[in-house]
Amino acid sequence: RKEVEQDPGPFNVPEGATVAFNCTYSNSASQSFFWYRQDCRKEPKLLMSVYSSGNEDGRFTAQLNRASQYISLLIRDSKLSDSATYLCVVIPSGAGSYQLTFGKGTKLSVIP
Amino acid sequence: DAGITQSPRYKITETGRQVTLMCHQTWSHSYMFWYRQDLGHGLRLIYYSAAADITDKGEVPDGYVVSRSKTENFPLTLESATRSQTSVYFCASSERDRGVNTEAFFGQGTRLTVV
Repeated sequence: RKEVEQDPGPFNVPEGATVAFNCTYSNSASQSFFWYRQDCRKEPKLLMSVYSSGNEDGRFTAQLNRASQYISLLIRDSKLSDSATYLCVVIPSGAGSYQLTFGKGTKLSVIP
Repeated sequence: DAGITQSPRYKITETGRQVTLMCHQTWSHSYMFWYRQDLGHGLRLIYYSAAADITDKGEVPDGYVVSRSKTENFPLTLESATRSQTSVYFCASSERDRGVNTEAFFGQGTRLTVV
């Protein structure tokens, strides 16, 4: 099983739609979780951290399910500008806790 | 300017040549990383550094050399470039908080083509 797995998509959704991405991780002792956004040919940028209690930032909601070892990202009222690749990132605990492990990303296209 | 910068942004080199990609950060972050990104593979860790003069291999280190004589700089050298090293290279930095690394901040990337 790969350390971090994401559905590569693409997800093609109309403007205004709600879309959700999941990401599963294999290391049950992982401590930190993030969602990054990457626009075509540019560097990844932090979208939001994922906390155990779940967190929301405007139209974006991130949740963590430790029992099932997955994190999710929900985007409400999709905008054209949300079109990008969304990367799930996990940091393990213990040895190797310096390393950010990236999923391969889920591509989102928001269509007019 | 504050942040993390990479140079050059674009580079074309010939097979067999040595090429160095530069990375500089102004936050004094302890940790620095080099990733390469290729279609179908996502971001793969080449090398990382936990502090000045401390470096270690990541997932795909073969053909690369790094150094970290100063906290703010983390150059990546391709000793003898091969076509398979054509890729986009990202440098990143992060800090440590209560024993766990925080989120990483990325440079703008270097697009390297080996012909």
